Amino acid sequence: DGGITQSPKYLFRKEGQNVTLSCEQNLNHDAMYWYRQDPGQGLRLIYYSQIVNDFQKGDIAEGYSVSREKKESFPLTVTSAQKNPTAFYLCASSPLPRTFPGGGSSTEAFFGQGTRLTVV
Amino acid sequence: EDKVVQSPLSLVVHEGDTVTLNCSYEVTNFRSLLWYKQEKKAPTFLFMLTSSGIEKKSGRLSSILDKKELFSILNITATQTGDSAVYLCAAPSGGTSYGKLTFGQGTILTVHP
Repeated sequence: DGGITQSPKYLFRKEGQNVTLSCEQNLNHDAMYWYRQDPGQGLRLIYYSQIVNDFQKGDIAEGYSVSREKKESFPLTVTSAQKNPTAFYLCASSPLPRTFPGGGSSTEAFFGQGTRLTVV
Repeated sequence: EDKVVQSPLSLVVHEGDTVTLNCSYEVTNFRSLLWYKQEKKAPTFLFMLTSSGIEKKSGRLSSILDKKELFSILNITATQTGDSAVYLCAAPSGGTSYGKLTFGQGTILTVHP
């Protein structure tokens, strides 16, 4: 089945440790994203990548790093520099935008099941 | 800075009620507005709206966009307990047509039997 797989589902980390969250997709999507969700808040963008070997910072990139060596994979590392890492992390991917009859183009993002990271 | 604001933040209704969820946006180079439903983990896609005044429907759910007022609503008729979820509104931002989405805070809908 096609989809986006995140692992692990739950992750516990001691303060001062780096951890890496996995995200793999077999949808042949070009773009991939990492979002963070905190209680009572919407999703906030950490990093995104529109093509292999290229990625850009989102709104809250500090304390995080990513790589995009393969089209299918976009791992996120939460470093010890991230001051408040406990959160729910969602990975997403999107296909190439499609053009609409009235002009313009857009696409939707498809999400994985998420990883809940807790710092202990 | 692009902004998406949803209201109400939470809503409690009984089965059979009709609900309207609101989403306003301020996005440069607007392309589309998307609605997602998040039950436990992954948000699932509901609608993409690109044109004003054209209603999109899927069963008991429907949505419409007003590009003049920078507003969208999501209607759910004859609500069921299975509709209980967080409903998220989002818009592609940053001048890109890719899924780099700015999300609202979400509306938590609770449907009681």
